[in-house]
Amino acid sequence: QSALTQPGSVSGFPGQSITISCTGTSSDVGGYNYVSWYQHHPGKAPKLMIYGVSNRPSGVSDRFSGSKSGNTASLTISGLQAEDEADYYCSSYTSTNKGVFGGGTKVTVL
Amino acid sequence: QVQLVQSGAEVKKPGASVKVSCKVSGYSFIDAGVSWVRQAPGQGLEWMGWINIYYGSTEYAQKLLGRVSITSDTSTSTVYMELTSLTSDDTAVYYCARDMPAATPVAFDCWGQGSLVTVSS
Repeated sequence: QSALTQPGSVSGFPGQSITISCTGTSSDVGGYNYVSWYQHHPGKAPKLMIYGVSNRPSGVSDRFSGSKSGNTASLTISGLQAEDEADYYCSSYTSTNKGVFGGGTKVTVL
Repeated sequence: QVQLVQSGAEVKKPGASVKVSCKVSGYSFIDAGVSWVRQAPGQGLEWMGWINIYYGSTEYAQKLLGRVSITSDTSTSTVYMELTSLTSDDTAVYYCARDMPAATPVAFDCWGQGSLVTVSS
């Protein structure tokens, strides 16, 4: 199972919106509405931000939103804040009943 | 509150095995699966496998088949991940994570603190 494809880095100014893409295949991202997004600050455990493509767990800011079109899922962060600077990973369920992560995207707040 | 507490750091020699534990509390152990994810230095997250606690069934990443085993002990609410035939490529922080109950797959809502495994001669 190959890792999902994410851009290596995305940056934006405070207050702006940014979007991170996550591209897979019809055997993972495109085949199921089972895409999650995680925020990971170095040295800490990852945090679930979005699950089931577009659902936010309790306590996650509504500045974070998810969507999917075909084999590509996206995470949008609106009103970018300094605390959003972190690595972000997408994850998908696969047709072989396994999980797979994307390579990760470093978000920089300029 | 939900907690996943992992065992401590390990240093192993190439060819050895390591077994990392993950003790959960704050919810009914059999109501949620547990997954293992690792992150090698400077690398991204890698899904290793998961266990359905209720049925005891497991799935593992293709690249780790034959070397990884995930088990659970319902008497102590603990999940174990054992990795054999270690090489330097297995040096990583290993995380256990709870599969969010009644949610979609790969929704890992609570994570352990991570266990550093170093493989070095």
